[in-house]
Amino acid sequence: DSGVTQTPKHLITATGQRVTLRCSPRSGDLSVYWYQQSLDQGLQFLIQYYNGEERAKGNILERFSAQQFPDLHSELNLSSLELGDSALYFCASSVLGTTDTQYFGPGTRLTVL
Amino acid sequence: GENVEQHPSTLSVQEGDSAVIKCTYSDSASNYFPWYKQELGKRPQLIIDIRSNVGEKKDQRIAVTLNKTAKHFSLHITETQPEDSAVYFCAASLTTDSWGKLQFGAGTQVVVTP
Repeated sequence: DSGVTQTPKHLITATGQRVTLRCSPRSGDLSVYWYQQSLDQGLQFLIQYYNGEERAKGNILERFSAQQFPDLHSELNLSSLELGDSALYFCASSVLGTTDTQYFGPGTRLTVL
Repeated sequence: GENVEQHPSTLSVQEGDSAVIKCTYSDSASNYFPWYKQELGKRPQLIIDIRSNVGEKKDQRIAVTLNKTAKHFSLHITETQPEDSAVYFCAASLTTDSWGKLQFGAGTQVVVTP
């Protein structure tokens, strides 16, 4: 157990819908990262937050947004869902920044039907 | 931006043999190189990492080497065991401060047969 928690574990929804994925970092970690893992692709970096502020952005679609709250938990919002958004979404956290060890949560498996 | 290539995509080894996975990166400024192991249906877990000021690092049966001139780094697993079967990902970070992305390789499926 890495200490990073994610909810829900599984999510099944329809095209066009909107969902919210939640992540709680390890105690003491200030950075949160979101990754997407599709079947035919590796781990794709989406976005990084540090202490409530966005710090780095990857290939995150405009339909996706995220935020980190004062208690340091983070939410990833996915809207106007498409079939291709079906994937495992991982959250990771680290004490400070990117070159600190990133601890991954168990992931949320999103299925868009 | 940074691009990381990982080879091979699959690797079958006999128990007790060694396994080697190689990654190359494109940006010479990259300075942090972690390796993650992901078992089926589980989260990626860091197994070892190396920074650009070090050429080699070892942790029991696992070692990583870094060649900055050639821009490649490798994972070596000795005396492989069935529990080493998993997907292994290399990654490279380009960051002059603490903000930036980890660019992951495509992964190597390692199968250790008894």
